[in-house]
Amino acid sequence: AQTVTQSQPEMSVQEAETVTLSCTYDTSESNYYLFWYKQPPSRQMILVIRQEAYKQQNATENRFSVNFQKAAKSFSLKISDSQLGDTAMYFCAFTPTDSWGKLQFGAGTQVVVTP
Amino acid sequence: EAGVTQSPTHLIKTRGQQATLRCSPISGHTSVYWYQQALGLGLQFLLWYDEGEERNRGNFPPRFSGRQFPNYSSELNVNALELEDSALYLCASSLAGQSVPRGYEQYFGPGTRLTVT
Repeated sequence: AQTVTQSQPEMSVQEAETVTLSCTYDTSESNYYLFWYKQPPSRQMILVIRQEAYKQQNATENRFSVNFQKAAKSFSLKISDSQLGDTAMYFCAFTPTDSWGKLQFGAGTQVVVTP
Repeated sequence: EAGVTQSPTHLIKTRGQQATLRCSPISGHTSVYWYQQALGLGLQFLLWYDEGEERNRGNFPPRFSGRQFPNYSSELNVNALELEDSALYLCASSLAGQSVPRGYEQYFGPGTRLTVT
């Protein structure tokens, strides 16, 4: 069985600062995809960034970047230059390539950006 | 390009009744997924439909069922509603097939808030 663990229930960061969210996962699969989704107060889930496990290069999308450590089964998200609009619940998610279609989510980390 | 749409936004039912939730995927997407987001339980995978067929099912009782129509829209039906079915139900869609670039990426709708009293 695969599990996704987010150990930080809540994190607070000041505007323009950087915050890093941790995510670890447990799987016996060798090929899989990892995602970070953002859920603001509007409840709309938004895909922030994706990483294919076969790619060694860490994914980057504007102010969002990941640190993917396959051997350690770790997939952290760094938000740089935090903005008030980044305030949201952030979910780490996993799906294996051979049985894709079922996203396994972590419990989420609430990020609060303060002025 | 229009995103995933869901209706209704809110639904209030009493215990024992049936609820029907609807989802329209992004144009060109053939896979539809349903998730339940209940307080304290996080996001749980419910069902996956592709090309009109149920492809995968989460650990939910049979009173949770659904279908996908020829236009790829989908319905989630919950029979014999229980109080613990109160949750936000999220629908997502994706392109089909691993050979399609980023076919594995799921895009979510705004959800239907189901309240069972």
